[in-house]
Amino acid sequence: DGGITQSPKYLFRKEGQNVTLSCEQNLNHDAMYWYRQDPGQGLRLIYYSQIVNDFQKGDIAEGYSVSREKKESFPLTVTSAQKNPTAFYLCASIGGYNEQFFGPGTRLTVL
Amino acid sequence: AQSVAQPEDQVNVAEGNPLTVKCTYSVSGNPYLFWYVQYPNRGLQFLLKYITGDNLVKGSYGFEAEFNKSQTSFHLKKPSALVSDSALYFCAVRDIYNFNKFYFGSGTKLNVKP
Repeated sequence: DGGITQSPKYLFRKEGQNVTLSCEQNLNHDAMYWYRQDPGQGLRLIYYSQIVNDFQKGDIAEGYSVSREKKESFPLTVTSAQKNPTAFYLCASIGGYNEQFFGPGTRLTVL
Repeated sequence: AQSVAQPEDQVNVAEGNPLTVKCTYSVSGNPYLFWYVQYPNRGLQFLLKYITGDNLVKGSYGFEAEFNKSQTSFHLKKPSALVSDSALYFCAVRDIYNFNKFYFGSGTKLNVKP
């Protein structure tokens, strides 16, 4: 998990509420990612960003939004439009043609 | 479409025995392949990767993987399993057209029994 921090570790959301998950990296990596993980499923890409002020939708972007104002930070907002947000969310980054580094994850639960 | 498949949801092995976790890929071209491990409620940790060169890749914690182009496989192996190897393992491939995208398998749960 070194170099990438995610907060909070656990997050509870009420129906109709927007919540923001934090992801920070000090690895000087250009590209950052958000994945969603559900039990028994692999990782599904929500959004990714290759450079500051630029990001692209992944496979399941509906109901989510992101920003990339700083190289180190890539926050994810889970909006009320996401009807089934309970999941484990993973942030990752990569530098060059290498492997991804992952944060420790945030577990979001809808009450 | 590019993808990886992990045909086994779960693999059970006795401690001290060799283990294999299977992965097959579908990529039109030379693949960049990765293995990661995930412990409960944690992020993924990188184990090893194949980019080019020797088909047998050695990685962390005594794991290795064999790239087989004819069978489009990249199976993860370890000669002698430990109870502490019990975890969820993911195979991944890098998109050769968009180098910043990766595709992950559904994961294989490895259970090593004492």
